[in-house]
Amino acid sequence: GENVEQHPSTLSVQEGDSAVIKCTYSDSASNYFPWYKQELGKGPQLIIDIRSNVGEKKDQRIAVTLNKTAKHFSLHITETQPEDSAVYFCAAETNQAGTALIFGKGTTLSVSS
Amino acid sequence: GAGVSQTPSNKVTEKGKYVELRCDPISGHTALYWYRQSLGQGPEFLIYFQGTGAADDSGLPNDRFFAVRPEGSVSTLKIQRTERGDSAVYLCASSLNRFGGYTFGSGTRLTVV
Repeated sequence: GENVEQHPSTLSVQEGDSAVIKCTYSDSASNYFPWYKQELGKGPQLIIDIRSNVGEKKDQRIAVTLNKTAKHFSLHITETQPEDSAVYFCAAETNQAGTALIFGKGTTLSVSS
Repeated sequence: GAGVSQTPSNKVTEKGKYVELRCDPISGHTALYWYRQSLGQGPEFLIYFQGTGAADDSGLPNDRFFAVRPEGSVSTLKIQRTERGDSAVYLCASSLNRFGGYTFGSGTRLTVV
């Protein structure tokens, strides 16, 4: 089955800097890769996603890149702000029956002003 | 509703007791998922419903766990003979169909003492 590795586990940046979080996956059949942001006491919130037919997607300060050959994908946050501080999870989904998302273990991002 | 609603938000129960956790998905969402999140970990898949039927229950850890969705909307996760190891945040998510990002609820924090 699918296995998703995420790193780093913690990331501290200064306000205005960029932050990059990387994930690798094991199942070459995976074709959908969402990123979630989770704040304390809340459920994960979808912030951006990418499908296997594209290599990059951008939404304002957030971008995701996908390298299917290497089986890794990354989240890029530019011009970080204190409100970006949260735990970020990557996930992968195959098109097999069940369609469960397999999540990484998360990255705690701290943005200091 | 506007979002996925989970009740109760917190539940403390004694070891050996039975608990029910409720999920109200977004109106019209046919796909419903239950995940479990332990401290410092990403969500782990439990069960997926498409309409009224459980399309994939491969994530349920053992036969003490059961979930229903009798009318294709509200779902209840049932845990019998609770154990301390069942303590976690139980997250529910829904989506319009099986393709695409989920919307998560805020979860039910279950503590077994």
